[in-house]
Amino acid sequence: EIALTQSPGTLSLSPGERATLSCGASQSVSSSYLAWYQQRPGQAPRLLIYGASSRAAGIPDRFSGGGSGTDFTLTISRLEPEDFAVYFCQQYGSSALTFGGGTKVEIK
Amino acid sequence: EVQLVESGGGVVRPGGSLRLSCAASGFSFEDYGMSWVRQAPGKGLEWVSGINWNGGSTGYGDSVKGRFTISRDNAKNSLYLQMDSLRAEDTAFYHCARGGYGDYKGSSLDFWGQGTLVTVSS
Repeated sequence: EIALTQSPGTLSLSPGERATLSCGASQSVSSSYLAWYQQRPGQAPRLLIYGASSRAAGIPDRFSGGGSGTDFTLTISRLEPEDFAVYFCQQYGSSALTFGGGTKVEIK
Repeated sequence: EVQLVESGGGVVRPGGSLRLSCAASGFSFEDYGMSWVRQAPGKGLEWVSGINWNGGSTGYGDSVKGRFTISRDNAKNSLYLQMDSLRAEDTAFYHCARGGYGDYKGSSLDFWGQGTLVTVSS
């Protein structure tokens, strides 16, 4: 089973600032099968990025994903008020899917 | 519009059983892999189980292997999770989520239901 470690646990930023979230894998994620999800309080997770760098339908271009192998990043270029939420990475390259522990992006 | 609606949650004693259902609409259910993902209150996401389009291939997380069984009925556009030998640590919201065309493996989860709460307590 591939373990995913997200850092930092909490990111305190102001609207308009840039956010960079990290996701590290215990072994290489095949074919960059890495996704990012956003979860707002009381809501189900929403797919943001798949294939490490492809935006899902309807996702604004201020969200971008990068990386390969064992190191991946999610960048939010300029934080909007609705972006303050929890973000999870997930790998789906093995038969057992796994999630990272999450990064909370909070208003500073 | 894709919709996934879970049901069947509730309070159950340790060692008991529960069967969750997920009703799918707005897409060709029989063509897609599906997964169950759970989230303990205030905690992170944990993948529980996945199934391919015809039920011929399934997978489970280590924490539920041998206790939970995933299945589907394509004629009823429904996904199920049979949970046996429940433990306190199984307490969580259980979400169903759509996987990829054909299989749950090799694809992200692009649509999610709101979840149903399972509480395991004596």
